[in-house]
Amino acid sequence: NAGVTQTPKFRILKIGQSMTLQCAQDMNHNYMYWYRQDPGMGLKLIYYSVGAGITDKGEVPNGYNVSRSTTEDFPLRLELAAPSQTSVYFCASSSSWTSGKANEQFFGPGTRLTVL
Amino acid sequence: EDQVTQSPEALRLQEGESSSLNCSYTVSGLRGLFWYRQDPGKGPEFLFTLYSAGEEKEKERLKATLTKKESFLHITAPKPEDSATYLCAVHYLAYSGAGSYQLTFGKGTKLSVIP
Repeated sequence: NAGVTQTPKFRILKIGQSMTLQCAQDMNHNYMYWYRQDPGMGLKLIYYSVGAGITDKGEVPNGYNVSRSTTEDFPLRLELAAPSQTSVYFCASSSSWTSGKANEQFFGPGTRLTVL
Repeated sequence: EDQVTQSPEALRLQEGESSSLNCSYTVSGLRGLFWYRQDPGKGPEFLFTLYSAGEEKEKERLKATLTKKESFLHITAPKPEDSATYLCAVHYLAYSGAGSYQLTFGKGTKLSVIP
């Protein structure tokens, strides 16, 4: 199993450009998440999904969009990139939470994005 | 005010010198506390989940414990390969909707183990 994969590994964008960060998992997990990690800060949740066709905002959703058409894929779209979106982006997945308790999340290797 | 605070920010240990990392939290309604290890340039790797005060879990040289206000990650006789940033995250009952699916992460403790 590959686990959680992310592409690209690195990307440089110009202000105002758009791009899609790809994320795929092969563990048949229903739950998927997008985080950003800035230097000296904790991981912040951008968006999450509890199943195909179901997405919701996390703590820092502004400037991003997501879709979830299959169980395996959860792309993150950046529209009109801004320097504040320079960060490392991690995708994660987990099995469905039961009894209101979170299960461990499995993270991808990350995408390092720079907006100039 | 941070809801999850990890200390120290950085820790240097000699190989074999045992120590503990701290994760304190101010949230109420804790549903789970998670420890992750993150190597430079990589994604976090799951270590432990603790669900209730008094719970302990062990894995090789690592032992995680949980009280009502904090968690400790004890490292016994560390080796250089234990060098990494250790992240703590909590899941708690904040409010219905989006917040209930959110983990709140601390900023991490960077551990360096010197041979």
